Amino acid sequence: DAKTTQPTSMDCAEGRAANLPCNHSTISGNEYVYWYRQIHSQGPQYIIHGLKNNETNEMASLIITEDRKSSTLILPHATLRDTAVYYCIVHNQGGKLIFGQGTELSVKP
Amino acid sequence: GAVVSQHPSWVICKSGTSVKIECRSLDFQATTMFWYRQFPKQSLMLMATSNEGSKATYEQGVEKDKFLINHASLTLSTLTVTSAHPEDSSFYICSAPRGAGTDTQYFGPGTRLTVL
Repeated sequence: DAKTTQPTSMDCAEGRAANLPCNHSTISGNEYVYWYRQIHSQGPQYIIHGLKNNETNEMASLIITEDRKSSTLILPHATLRDTAVYYCIVHNQGGKLIFGQGTELSVKP
Repeated sequence: GAVVSQHPSWVICKSGTSVKIECRSLDFQATTMFWYRQFPKQSLMLMATSNEGSKATYEQGVEKDKFLINHASLTLSTLTVTSAHPEDSSFYICSAPRGAGTDTQYFGPGTRLTVL
């Protein structure tokens, strides 16, 4: 599975959009981009995933560049409850989820 | 939505004893489940893939005789930490994909194991 690179930490003001970048320059054509988050001392939570097109759901939007070498997770109106570690993972259907270090997002009042 | 539960949520045991952790998919069947371990301030580390009706597949460096996995039914996988030692103290998390052909994983809430 392709390796991802994410910033170690980010801050965001409450009510503002949080934009979390992820680089996956070695992604192959059949690998999806998945985003999960883990609030402290809880199990990870699925957020969103995509292959080529941008995706949006009730939690977030996922913007994937045309060359698919990077993506951005957007939380449109961050709240204090969005403080968590966000993991960007790329892998094949049927593959195992391999977690990197993720981005620790701190939403501040 | 899909829910995965774990029991117990936390456990404290003495060194040398064995501890069993259960992972259940509550509203869907899972032929495959995954077990992770997470140490403080670290990311999740995949330990093994639990396969219903067959042997588990362990990741490199994970002792299969120490971490016994049994996937007895389509909704239950168990992880038994045998002869636990303080270095086994960790946060153990299971996950299961919902639906054939999907890799969206649903995670349990985790089990905090402390070995004295």
